[in-house]
Amino acid sequence: GAGVSQTPSNKVTEKGKYVELRCDPISGHTALYWYRQSLGQGPEFLIYFQGTGAADDSGLPNDRFFAVRPEGSVSTLKIQRTERGDSAVYLCASSSSGATADTQYFGPGTRLTVL
Amino acid sequence: TQLLEQSPQFLSIQEGENLTVYCNSSSVFSSLQWYRQEPGEGPVLLVTVVTGGEVKKLKRLTFQFGDARKDSSLHITAAQPGDTGLYLCAGADYGGSQGNLIFGKGTKLSVKP
Repeated sequence: GAGVSQTPSNKVTEKGKYVELRCDPISGHTALYWYRQSLGQGPEFLIYFQGTGAADDSGLPNDRFFAVRPEGSVSTLKIQRTERGDSAVYLCASSSSGATADTQYFGPGTRLTVL
Repeated sequence: TQLLEQSPQFLSIQEGENLTVYCNSSSVFSSLQWYRQEPGEGPVLLVTVVTGGEVKKLKRLTFQFGDARKDSSLHITAAQPGDTGLYLCAGADYGGSQGNLIFGKGTKLSVKP
């Protein structure tokens, strides 16, 4: 079956611009996660959805970052007034129920470059 | 803040050698996972360990969870070039959000033929 897909695969933008990153989880997975991976680092948790609601958004670095999942499937990560420090690979993952022992399946990521 | 420290950060070995990478923390985790990530791809789960002292084997890979559930190790026997990649450990926050995986920085392994 299809895995987690993310679009675009690469995004180059200018400082101060607005960007949207999309994640299509595995069909039927109720839990969806966003992580950010900077060069030479492991993924850093941003936000976790259970269905349509954000169950934990404690990892969002500031109010320029926002994510939605209006129908409990596709999710969009939105970044306003981008800064050079936002440059990273943004990873999305989904799992069947969100239980701690559930396997999180990761997408290939969106590489964001802010010039 | 819970942190996972991985060592070594980089490892370059010849095909056929054995190696061990470590994942350590001062915090207790409800479970710990090991992932492998290749360039341009997302991490892929290798194993989840849940019980203190647990040992799991996956072909030439052996994973161990520390008795106190604060540390883990990954041992690879007779490494092959196909084992090359970034190995990440990730802990599930004990008592915290089910979704909040805390990752180490990873060990970048290169196995030369």
